[in-house]
Amino acid sequence: EPEVTQTPSHQVTQMGQEVILRCVPISNHLYFYWYRQILGQKVEFLVSFYNNEISEKSEIFDDQFSVERPDGSNFTLKIRSTKLEDSAMYFCASSEGTSVWELFFGEGSRLTVL
Amino acid sequence: ILNVEQSPQSLHVQEGDSTNFTCSFPSSNFYALHWYRWETAKSPEALFVMTLNGDEKKKGRISATLNTKEGYSYLYIKGSQPEDSATYLCAFFGNNFNKFYFGSGTKLNVKP
Repeated sequence: EPEVTQTPSHQVTQMGQEVILRCVPISNHLYFYWYRQILGQKVEFLVSFYNNEISEKSEIFDDQFSVERPDGSNFTLKIRSTKLEDSAMYFCASSEGTSVWELFFGEGSRLTVL
Repeated sequence: ILNVEQSPQSLHVQEGDSTNFTCSFPSSNFYALHWYRWETAKSPEALFVMTLNGDEKKKGRISATLNTKEGYSYLYIKGSQPEDSATYLCAFFGNNFNKFYFGSGTKLNVKP
């Protein structure tokens, strides 16, 4: 069964460093997302991506964040200069469409910023 | 801020017990509600996508109902089994917001 894969599963970084989280969505899906969950809090939306551009982003997704789909298969989230509060589990998801189409999630990348 | 609430936060039941939990969401601008099952160390998996008021969906021993006018959905598990132990998340998609809002989840623990 097709699945969303994410790497790395865990990354530890120093504050101020750049981090890139990678995702391979399901191949025939058209919509791609990043969510995150800070420990003990709700899963929160970061950004959605469709047709090679951002379709929606949250207030969290500021200039420090960027997404890219560089080669038609990978979908990356870059955090330019990490802060302590960026420590979270980051989930990539993909879907065939919006809203009424189920999200397929990866297993997450745990980011720890020291 | 849009609030999606789930209750209870956690639930401990014995194998064979039936259980249910609630997801509350804004009753205006409803578009869709999703339920996901999230086992520890795995990725959330979709259980149901619900769109119409009065919708009832069933998958084996798990079923869900939807009331968009009053803004709630119930998830029922009949005859809980240890393998049902997981966190159950609901996610609301509204007309005016092009994104999902998740509840904090209900963590279910089924003891053999």
